[in-house]
Amino acid sequence: AQSVTQLDSHVSVSEGTPVLLRCNYSSSYSPSLFWYVQHPNKGLQLLLKYTSAATLVKGINGFEAEFKKSETSFHLTKPSAHMSDAAEYFCVVTGDSSYKLIFGSGTRLLVRP
Amino acid sequence: NAGVTQTPKFQVLKTGQSMTLQCAQDMNHNSMYWYRQDPGMGLRLIYYSASEGTTDKGEVPNGYNVSRLNKREFSLRLESAAPSQTSVYFCASSQSGSSGANVLTFGAGSRLTVL
Repeated sequence: AQSVTQLDSHVSVSEGTPVLLRCNYSSSYSPSLFWYVQHPNKGLQLLLKYTSAATLVKGINGFEAEFKKSETSFHLTKPSAHMSDAAEYFCVVTGDSSYKLIFGSGTRLLVRP
Repeated sequence: NAGVTQTPKFQVLKTGQSMTLQCAQDMNHNSMYWYRQDPGMGLRLIYYSASEGTTDKGEVPNGYNVSRLNKREFSLRLESAAPSQTSVYFCASSQSGSSGANVLTFGAGSRLTVL
């Protein structure tokens, strides 16, 4: 069965420092993986997606993620945090049907001035 | 371009009451979804509609019904609301369900409280 684990429920960084949000997945086949962001009281927005093309995926707002099959990881990074990055981030993997996405429990990113 | 529109944004119900959450998309997407979001649990799929005229159960369908009214609209009904259905509900749509291409566009959410 497919599953996804976000290793940190909260991450706090200072503005201008790097961001690392960790995600491990489990899948019985080659999955598609996504990161979504949710700003307070808003719907979710796609940050980036991995679909077996390139292992390093670039997304919006300077975020990127690297698919590492040997480690079953898909960590999200950004070189320099901005105050506007404060939000909740969800790692997502395709489930047993392409219509059934499996969402992680979320990581709340706090950016300190 | 409105994207995905949900109504109402907020609703308070008493146990046993019924209500319908409405969702409409203007992107000509084939597939539509209803999720619920609870603290610390991410999003869980309630029902989805792969295409107009079809609906299928997701992970947590009990206590809910859906109707795919046409290609644009997908409603979620609570026939007899229970406190366990207090949650934030999100409607989403996607162009294709094929693996690797399925990217969801979400509405802004509907916050439901059942007393």
